[in-house]
Amino acid sequence: SAVISQKPSRDICQRGTSLTIQCQVDSQVTMMFWYRQQPGQSLTLIATANQGSEATYESGFVIDKFPISRPNLTFSTLTVSNMSPEDSSIYLCSVDGGAITEAFFGQGTRLTVV
Amino acid sequence: QKEVEQNSGPLSVPEGAIASLNCTYSDRGSQSFFWYRQYSGKSPELIMSIYSNGDKEDGRFTAQLNKASQYVSLLIRDSQPSDSATYLCAVNQEYGNKLVFGAGTILRVKS
Repeated sequence: SAVISQKPSRDICQRGTSLTIQCQVDSQVTMMFWYRQQPGQSLTLIATANQGSEATYESGFVIDKFPISRPNLTFSTLTVSNMSPEDSSIYLCSVDGGAITEAFFGQGTRLTVV
Repeated sequence: QKEVEQNSGPLSVPEGAIASLNCTYSDRGSQSFFWYRQYSGKSPELIMSIYSNGDKEDGRFTAQLNKASQYVSLLIRDSQPSDSATYLCAVNQEYGNKLVFGAGTILRVKS
């Protein structure tokens, strides 16, 4: 399985500011995914990031709030913009297993907005 | 909206017993099914995947899939306190590589 490194592992941010989360994979992958896990909840897919094209956002998530970059096949960033306390969550980067749709996760970024 | 349903628990079992975790899904076209284990404060860890009807065994874990009933389960034999975690069921959507996760079942193994 791929080794996925996510930075930062945690952060406390002021409301109204933005945070960019980085995801680095040790091998080239076609698709990268960003999930959110709110306190006590399961994982919700934010968007799918493909290299060389715009990210595809799920219902309820918009590019202005969660801009995503995918400059190459091993790296992606997710920005949480104009943060509010409701954005306090764990944000997880994942990659697929190639031909199989299993997902492998980075260690996550625990974000607290105050 | 494609859904994956799990009993939130907690499911409490004594050490050494069999823990049985269940999951149902709504997308009849789903082809891939996964069980993840998530310890508190950690990210999900893939423990089992299953793609065809029947049972798949890996050590103390057995995944069971019944596509006709849209039902997938995870059995953990000889449960250990270290198995105490939240177990997430995930199902791929019919098209593409996106996974839909259930809310998770909290498992507590009592020593």
